[in-house]
Amino acid sequence: EPEVTQTPSHQVTQMGQEVILRCVPISNHLYFYWYRQILGQKVEFLVSFYNNEISEKSEIFDDQFSVERPDGSNFTLKIRSTKLEDSAMYFCASRRQGFYEQYFGPGTRLTVT
Amino acid sequence: AQSVTQLDSQVPVFEEAPVELRCNYSSSVSVYLFWYVQYPNQGLQLLLKYLSGSTLVKGINGFEAEFNKSQTSFHLRKPSVHISDTAEYFCAVSDPTNAGKSTFGDGTTLTVKP
Repeated sequence: EPEVTQTPSHQVTQMGQEVILRCVPISNHLYFYWYRQILGQKVEFLVSFYNNEISEKSEIFDDQFSVERPDGSNFTLKIRSTKLEDSAMYFCASRRQGFYEQYFGPGTRLTVT
Repeated sequence: AQSVTQLDSQVPVFEEAPVELRCNYSSSVSVYLFWYVQYPNQGLQLLLKYLSGSTLVKGINGFEAEFNKSQTSFHLRKPSVHISDTAEYFCAVSDPTNAGKSTFGDGTTLTVKP
């Protein structure tokens, strides 16, 4: 069964550094999402992406964040200058057009020191 | 805007007992409803979904949920739990517009005791 994959599984970075989190959505899916989950808290929406542009973003998704679909398979989340409070699990999700269930990847645990 | 309230942060239960995890939502439009399970250090796995039709939906692992529009609820139930059901459970609503983002509740920790 096809699944969403994410790399790396764990990323440790120093405050102020740039990080890129990578996702490979399911191949026939057209809608892509990033969510984050701070340890012990709920899952929060960051951004949705469709037709090569952001369709919606939350207030968390400020100028330090950007998303890109650099080729036909990858979907990336970049954090330009990481802060301690960016430490969280980041989940990528995707869905098919006309279907509303999202399929989540296993997540990338980002630790900012 | 939409929101989700999971009424119980922790639910301890003995093995083979029934369980109900409660979820209420609010939205100005019709929504789609989901329950996800998260095992320790893992991602989110879809348990079941309500999109339309029958208000009683069945999912994986013996779970089911009932959509109640008048009470804006979507409670998750299982008639007999196993130790392996110990996990975090999230209720979510999805915006039916093209963006389709999901809004999650705070989660309910289900702990099944022997």
